[in-house]
Amino acid sequence: EEQLMESGGGFVQPGGSLRLSCAASGFTFSSHAMSWVRQAPGKGLEWVSVVSGSGDRTFYADSVKGRFIISRDNSKNTLYLEMTSLRAEDTAVYYCGKDSYPHTYGYSNYLGQGTLVIVSS
Amino acid sequence: EVVLTQSPDTLSLSPGESATVSCRASQSVSNDFLAWYQQKPGQAPRLLMFGASSRAKGIPDRFSGSGSGTDFTLTIASLAPEDFAVYYCQQYGTSPRTFGQGTTVEMK
Repeated sequence: EEQLMESGGGFVQPGGSLRLSCAASGFTFSSHAMSWVRQAPGKGLEWVSVVSGSGDRTFYADSVKGRFIISRDNSKNTLYLEMTSLRAEDTAVYYCGKDSYPHTYGYSNYLGQGTLVIVSS
Repeated sequence: EVVLTQSPDTLSLSPGESATVSCRASQSVSNDFLAWYQQKPGQAPRLLMFGASSRAKGIPDRFSGSGSGTDFTLTIASLAPEDFAVYYCQQYGTSPRTFGQGTTVEMK
């Protein structure tokens, strides 16, 4: 059974940093690109970033470009999102997604339960 | 970026009725790479459709998708009680991927 388990969320002050992790199991991790999608409280979904199965290609939403870095460790079946210069508008539940293909031009066919990030002073 | 606009924002329907949700793109969606997700309160989004009209694994056939270019539709043929939720379209043909604002299908 496919499973994605996000962790690392919490409370952080504006300008601070946080690293999210997503532990994957039940599928061949390196064969799938992986994504992050977020949802601010009471709002809709916003795509954040994607990394290819090999980790050599990454893409970001304009709202996080230059502040967030997506990466993966295929030996540990784990996806990461390093978030810096955090702003109040980054407050959201962050979902980790398993993409349909190893390249980055696909869709997420499974998402984890999410981890909440709160940015506030 | 490709802006997706869903309509209506809210649909009030009874079980057994059919639901139609529209998703219009600001420019043609490359290769009709359009997906639909369902989200229930407190849960992660669940993939319903991809490639505009292909059902994801395990999705009942009362769900169908259609459209191409800039206009897409999600139809639920006969609403079951578990179908009342929020529905999002997403295009993945052009980076950055973008979502519509969501349509709530609520019970009348």
